[in-house]
Amino acid sequence: EVQLLESGGGLIQPGGSLRLSCAASGFTFSSLAMNWVRQAPGKGLEWVSTIRDSGTRTYYADSVKGRFTVSRDNSKNTLFLQMNSLRAEDTAVYFCAKGDTDSWYAFRDWGRGTLVTVSS
Amino acid sequence: EIVMTQSPDTLSVSPGERTTLSCRASQTVTSNLAWYQQKPGQAPRLLIYGASTRATGIPSRFSGSGSVTEFTLTISSLQSEDFALYYCQQYNSWPITFGQGTRLEIK
Repeated sequence: EVQLLESGGGLIQPGGSLRLSCAASGFTFSSLAMNWVRQAPGKGLEWVSTIRDSGTRTYYADSVKGRFTVSRDNSKNTLFLQMNSLRAEDTAVYFCAKGDTDSWYAFRDWGRGTLVTVSS
Repeated sequence: EIVMTQSPDTLSVSPGERTTLSCRASQTVTSNLAWYQQKPGQAPRLLIYGASTRATGIPSRFSGSGSVTEFTLTISSLQSEDFALYYCQQYNSWPITFGQGTRLEIK
């Protein structure tokens, strides 16, 4: 069974930093791209970032480019999102998500999410 | 950036009825289009990918169609558990973008 378990969320002041983790199990982690998607309270879904299977290619939404960094540790089946210079508008539930071998970017599996609140 | 526009924002339908949700892309996404269902407090659930392929375990009452810029999600006979939020997503080009969502509510 595929499991994605996010952690690392919490309350942080504007301008602060936070590192999210997503522990993956139940599939060959190193074979698939991994993704972060967020959802602000009462709002829709927003794609944040993708990292390819080997970690050599990364993609970011314009809203986080230059502030967030996605990475992965294939030896530990873990995905990360380093978030710096946090703003109030970054407040959201952050989901870790993955596709499958026949469609990497249609997100078949999701974690339950971790809430990040940016507030003073 | 490809803008995804869903219509309508809210749809009121009676159980047992057939309903169609629409999604339009601002430029071509070929068939790289997915549909998701989301219920309060839950992660989204993948329904359709490749515009028309049902994801594993999705009931046959859900079907997707369309290509290029115009897409639809049809639910043939609404069940009580189908009343939820629905999002379309394009993954044809970066950045990946979602529609704003359609809320399907009980009439």
